[in-house]
Amino acid sequence: SAVISQKPSRDICQRGTSLTIQCQVDSQVTMMFWYRQQPGQSLTLIATANQGSEATYESGFVIDKFPISRPNLTFSTLTVSNMSPEDSSIYLCSVSRTGYGYTFGSGTRLTVV
Amino acid sequence: AQSVTQLDSQVPVFEEAPVELRCNYSSSVSVYLFWYVQYPNQGLQLLLKYLSGSTLVKGINGFEAEFNKSQTSFHLRKPSVHISDTAEYFCAAKGNNQGGKLIFGQGTELSVKP
Repeated sequence: SAVISQKPSRDICQRGTSLTIQCQVDSQVTMMFWYRQQPGQSLTLIATANQGSEATYESGFVIDKFPISRPNLTFSTLTVSNMSPEDSSIYLCSVSRTGYGYTFGSGTRLTVV
Repeated sequence: AQSVTQLDSQVPVFEEAPVELRCNYSSSVSVYLFWYVQYPNQGLQLLLKYLSGSTLVKGINGFEAEFNKSQTSFHLRKPSVHISDTAEYFCAAKGNNQGGKLIFGQGTELSVKP
């Protein structure tokens, strides 16, 4: 299965600022996914990032708050903009490959103060 | 839309006892099913997956799960648990018309006591 490197692993940020999370995959993949895991909760899909097109956002998530880039088939970024304490969560990227299922990065633990 | 329900939010069990973590999914023409484990302060690790073929799927760490289409279930089992199995377990599903999206259940916290 794919190996995913996600950075940063954790961060503490001031409210009103933005944080960009990077996701690097060791092989080319068509679709990359960004999830949020709020404290004590399950994973919720934020958006699907396809190379060469706009990301597709799930209900409740908007591009202005969570802009995503996908410049090539091995890399993506998620920005959490104008942060508030409610954005404190674990953010995870994921990729899927036929026959292998889904692989997840180790996550970015974000605390907004 | 696809949905996944994990019937137990917490499962306490004694070491070396058997355990079953229950998962039901909403029906779809075809579905792929997964179980993930999340240890404290760590990311998600794939335990096992059902894509097609045999309905009994064996995974890592002695876990197995059985796909039951008639009951739309994919329960996870282990005959004898260890303290180290203490973690959060997530069931997830992808329907064939979901555009690649993986939908997660609410999670089950397995707590293994000595």
